[in-house]
Amino acid sequence: DAGVIQSPRHEVTEMGQEVTLRCKPISGHNSLFWYRQTMMRGLELLIYFNNNVPIDDSGMPEDRFSAKMPNASFSTLKIQPSEPRDSAVYFCASSGASGGIDEQFFGPGTRLTVL
Amino acid sequence: QKEVEQDPGPLSVPEGAIVSLNCTYSNSAFQYFMWYRQYSRKGPELLMYTYSSGNKEDGRFTAQVDKSSKYISLFIRDSQPSDSATYLCAMRKTDSWGKLQFGAGTQVVVTP
Repeated sequence: DAGVIQSPRHEVTEMGQEVTLRCKPISGHNSLFWYRQTMMRGLELLIYFNNNVPIDDSGMPEDRFSAKMPNASFSTLKIQPSEPRDSAVYFCASSGASGGIDEQFFGPGTRLTVL
Repeated sequence: QKEVEQDPGPLSVPEGAIVSLNCTYSNSAFQYFMWYRQYSRKGPELLMYTYSSGNKEDGRFTAQVDKSSKYISLFIRDSQPSDSATYLCAMRKTDSWGKLQFGAGTQVVVTP
């Protein structure tokens, strides 16, 4: 099992540019989560999908952030335009349980730096 | 005030010692409690999962939940240098499947 795959692993961009982060969940998992981790705010849930449908996006910081899940094996998190305060590690996680133990399996993260 | 409070550390212990970690929370609706371990530059991975109050043991790891005090703990016995990592507590309400609230994480360093 390859686990959750994220790309790119590192992204350095300039303020105002569009950034797209990608995630491939574990095959068979029906829930997908996007998190952001910073020293100041810790690990924050941005949005999560169940069966490709966004369930809760209350953690998305502002309209500059958008997420899509066009199919069960792919999701994107887009920031447009990016700002220096968006610099963080962005994690994607997936889960296959519904009703049982909702263990979330995290990817390796994308380290984003906005200059 | 944050719903979940966790001392960020760092917590430094000698190899073989017991590591004691804890989190406090303010929302009595939390029913499911987890501990995740995160190595440097890696994603978190689930260590322990408990429902409501009580103790759970898994090898060298013991998780305790005291709902009356809104306090959860993780103990690591016979600590090893490989236990050096950041430990994050997480919790959720019964009707919020998947929506975890994480603590800030405690950095643990086990010295040989």
